[in-house]
Amino acid sequence: GAGVSQTPSNKVTEKGKYVELRCDPISGHTALYWYRQSLGQGPEFLIYFQGTGAADDSGLPNDRFFAVRPEGSVSTLKIQRTERGDSAVYLCASSLISVGGTGELFFGEGSRLTVL
Amino acid sequence: KNEVEQSPQNLTAQEGEFITINCSYSVGISALHWLQQHPGGGIVSLFMLSSGKKKHGRLIATINIQEKHSSLHITASHPRDSAVYICAVPLYSGGGADGLTFGKGTHLIIQP
Repeated sequence: GAGVSQTPSNKVTEKGKYVELRCDPISGHTALYWYRQSLGQGPEFLIYFQGTGAADDSGLPNDRFFAVRPEGSVSTLKIQRTERGDSAVYLCASSLISVGGTGELFFGEGSRLTVL
Repeated sequence: KNEVEQSPQNLTAQEGEFITINCSYSVGISALHWLQQHPGGGIVSLFMLSSGKKKHGRLIATINIQEKHSSLHITASHPRDSAVYICAVPLYSGGGADGLTFGKGTHLIIQP
């Protein structure tokens, strides 16, 4: 597609449930990033993929969070046993090369997760 | 690990004023990003720069690598410039495969 696509745009779930958030990056972009943004804060890094592999997952807050990118394109962020503190906008971004290699980032519109 | 500070946090100005937003970071970087986020909207990349100055329309970004400091300027500001402006740098020095760390953003309001 023309830009980074994220689904769902909004997700409301109950505490303890499992959630999957999907990111479809710009075609050909090998670098894919997941960020989380809470109200009034800047985005917070979660995980970075180069191709199919997670090159840096140091931002994942705990083992309830997991992300995959099995074919090097679409990525899914998975959150188990959701907690109220997980409520945030989850942002996906992609770039042709890594930001460390000065790649320009393109962001999706985000998935707003609300855990009741 | 890099730390980013932006100032001011909030800025309200009149249409036509010259705007400056500042960003400082703690660890040497390969490139710095300036991003724009409209209320309820997605994030758009404005600039990516590693040295000197870049200009796009009424927006100008400068960086001083030695001082670990960057500024974003808006000339002849307009109400449509109202947004949150975010500075971002690589988490770690030396580039390579890593994510970005973001400033908390500067909330800019331009009044007509």
